[in-house]
Amino acid sequence: RKEVEQDPGPFNVPEGATVAFNCTYSNSASQSFFWYRQDCRKEPKLLMSVYSSGNEDGRFTAQLNRASQYISLLIRDSKLSDSATYLCVVSDDKIIFGKGTRLHILP
Amino acid sequence: DTGVSQDPRHKITKRGQNVTFRCDPISEHNRLYWYRQTLGQGPEFLTYFQNEAQLEKSRLLSDRFSAERPKGSFSTLEIQRTEQGDSAMYLCASSLAYGFYGYTFGSGTRLTVV
Repeated sequence: RKEVEQDPGPFNVPEGATVAFNCTYSNSASQSFFWYRQDCRKEPKLLMSVYSSGNEDGRFTAQLNRASQYISLLIRDSKLSDSATYLCVVSDDKIIFGKGTRLHILP
Repeated sequence: DTGVSQDPRHKITKRGQNVTFRCDPISEHNRLYWYRQTLGQGPEFLTYFQNEAQLEKSRLLSDRFSAERPKGSFSTLEIQRTEQGDSAMYLCASSLAYGFYGYTFGSGTRLTVV
């Protein structure tokens, strides 16, 4: 089992739609969880941290289920500028990335 | 500029040559990480440091790869006898200990081995 697994993608969705990304991790000792966004040929950038209580930042909502070792990211009212690859990141000391899920928002 | 900086941005080298990359982390960050990323894949862990101590090195890293962080500030990643399979983006990131507040990445060094 891979350490961090994400939906394979790509996701092609119309502008304004809601998009959900899923991620599972194998190490139950993992302590920190993040979603990163990566644009083509650019470095990953922190989108949001993920907390057990769930957290929201504008159109973005992240959830963590430690019992199921599952992380999610929800994007509401998607914009063309949301097109990117979304990387699930899990840390128990070093950081492990999922393969990423590419999102294309269609006009 | 208070971000993570990497140098060079691009490097083209002939197979068999040695290359060295540099990373300057955010000054107050004591953790520094190196990753490699190829097209369509997520970043792959190579190694990381806490201050000057190298805490872990990936089993995927052959003996041709070595990294240092001599004074706990900047770090270098050297690849000896480069192979075409080494062509990738090499990313550096830094964080405070345990990275509870996330990790900041540099823009990367894109290596092409011809």
